[in-house]
Amino acid sequence: EAGVAQSPRYKIIEKRQSVAFWCNPISGHATLYWYQQILGQGPKLLIQFQNNGVVDDSQLPKDRFSAERLKGVDSTLKIQPAKLEDSAVYLCASSLGFRSRGYNEQFFGPGTRLTVL
Amino acid sequence: EDKVVQSPLSLVVHEGDTVTLNCSYEVTNFRSLLWYKQEKKAPTFLFMLTSSGIEKKSGRLSSILDKKELFSILNITATQTGDSAIYLCAVEQGSARQLTFGSGTQLTVLP
Repeated sequence: EAGVAQSPRYKIIEKRQSVAFWCNPISGHATLYWYQQILGQGPKLLIQFQNNGVVDDSQLPKDRFSAERLKGVDSTLKIQPAKLEDSAVYLCASSLGFRSRGYNEQFFGPGTRLTVL
Repeated sequence: EDKVVQSPLSLVVHEGDTVTLNCSYEVTNFRSLLWYKQEKKAPTFLFMLTSSGIEKKSGRLSSILDKKELFSILNITATQTGDSAIYLCAVEQGSARQLTFGSGTQLTVLP
């Protein structure tokens, strides 16, 4: 079974530039998550999708961050314009579905390491 | 505000030592507590605990949850250099089953 795919793996940009990350979840997984992990901290949930709908985006800085999952499969996360404090690893995760019975295991992708100069 | 606090922040031991990692939490709508191992990549799942006093074991790793005192511990016995990683504690909450993570414990096992 293929895992969660993310690209690019690394990105270096200057502040005020724009950047986009892509995630392809495990086939058949209805729920998709984007996390931000700043160095020395645990992952923080930015947005959760169920199919192509948003379940929760309360921690997404909407003035500069946006995310979409138009066809309910892959997803993109965009930052425009980037700030120095956005330097972090952006992790994508997917699960069968948070409404499914039993444990809703989240499978994580390898992440995109963003450096904002 | 929901909080998950891990201690210690970092730990250096020698191979063969036993370590205990701590996780305390104050969250609403608790469903379960999870432990992850993170090497230089994505977190990988170790344990899920939902009931107090239930000890989960997987080889040299074991974990206990105390829902009354709101904490969990992760024990690793006979540590090996391959155990070196960040260990993350997370609490699953609410109907959306979201995860709130602690900051992690950086474990370094020296040969």
